[in-house]
Amino acid sequence: QKEVEQNSGPLSVPEGAIASLNCTYSDRGSQSFFWYRQYSGKSPELIMFIYSNGDKEDGRFTAQLNKASQYVSLLIRDSQPSDSATYLCAVTSGGSYIPTFGRGTSLIVHP
Amino acid sequence: DTGVSQNPRHKITKRGQNVTFRCDPISEHNRLYWYRQTLGQGPEFLTYFQNEAQLEKSRLLSDRFSAERPKGSFSTLEIQRTEQGDSAMYLCASSRGAGTGLDTQYFGPGTRLTVL
Repeated sequence: QKEVEQNSGPLSVPEGAIASLNCTYSDRGSQSFFWYRQYSGKSPELIMFIYSNGDKEDGRFTAQLNKASQYVSLLIRDSQPSDSATYLCAVTSGGSYIPTFGRGTSLIVHP
Repeated sequence: DTGVSQNPRHKITKRGQNVTFRCDPISEHNRLYWYRQTLGQGPEFLTYFQNEAQLEKSRLLSDRFSAERPKGSFSTLEIQRTEQGDSAMYLCASSRGAGTGLDTQYFGPGTRLTVL
């Protein structure tokens, strides 16, 4: 069974710091990796995706993928209280476009 | 606003009743997905459609769950004889259908179901 693991947290960081969120996956055939942000009581919102090894940057967000070690991470620079949310990692494998989601990591950015 | 809409946003029902939820995807999106999410968990895949064809339904939670997308546009998810364990957020997502793998999904606001 394909598994996507995330530390549930909460991860607490001060405002302005770098928040680092990690995700590991079990299926070596995994191809595409997505990060979603979910505020309490709301639906997931896509932040970014990555499918090649290395880093991908979008504004304050950087996704890092290491397929050899089977992990993907999300860095949030200059964290703001408005970044406080649950961050979901999602992974697709093989030829499927049905993602498997992790349980999410709760991030708290305190002033 | 991602453009995916769901109705109703909240549904309270009594155990044993049937409920139906509606999802309207982003207009140019071919694929439509249904998920269930319970507190502290990530979304759990239920089923999906490519246009009007339901291509995966083995992960519907039981035979009380069914979904339709009759004209390849909006979709409905029905739960018959609801149980208290069905209480959850039901999420719909749609995607453009750009081949395999890299096909980003956009979620609607969800329907929160409470079964008393």
